[in-house]
Amino acid sequence: NAGVTQTPKFRILKIGQSMTLQCTQDMNHNYMYWYRQDPGMGLKLIYYSVGAGITDKGEVPNGYNVSRSTTEDFPLRLELAAPSQTSVYFCASSYSTGGSGNTIYFGEGSWLTVV
Amino acid sequence: GNSVTQMEGPVTLSEEAFLTINCTYTATGYPSLFWYVQYPGEGLQLLLKATKADDKGSNKGFEATYRKETTSFHLEKGSVQVSDSAVYFCALSDPPDTGGGNKLTFGTGTQLKVEL
Repeated sequence: NAGVTQTPKFRILKIGQSMTLQCTQDMNHNYMYWYRQDPGMGLKLIYYSVGAGITDKGEVPNGYNVSRSTTEDFPLRLELAAPSQTSVYFCASSYSTGGSGNTIYFGEGSWLTVV
Repeated sequence: GNSVTQMEGPVTLSEEAFLTINCTYTATGYPSLFWYVQYPGEGLQLLLKATKADDKGSNKGFEATYRKETTSFHLEKGSVQVSDSAVYFCALSDPPDTGGGNKLTFGTGTQLKVEL
């Protein structure tokens, strides 16, 4: 089972560069999410999507953009990388039915360093 | 807004010791509660969950009970193993009908180290 797949796993960016973190899931989940995890901190929600064509901001959206053209894919775009965006990024997905108790499935993470 | 508070780590235990990791939450309505585990270099995996008051979630010898009266969801295990060494995150999701998305609010995580 592939589940949630993120690429790349590691990346070093220079300040001001742009990049896209790719995320795809093969579970036919409507809901998808991007979180970031800073050292010693919990995960913070960047953006989420409740279905193709629908995205919304989470707790820390500044400096990021997303799109959701298909059910499977939910890329995260960093337009002008800044050192404050050095973090571990997790993509996740879940079913939309079943109320708030649905399990959210996470990818393995993408380690991003901005220098 | 929603928030989750976990005990600070790291927690260091000897193998076969009893484990408790405290978690309390603030939320409106009736959120669902989760414990996720993160092994070194990996993503988060669901450990257990509870969706209503007095529910007990359990998995792999871990358990936690949804206590609405104390707004708590403490994680316990009777006898830890070295292989349980990981970071444990308590989380809650928005109650139903509050805008959708099943978004999770996480605690800061508690690192557990189990030694022989």
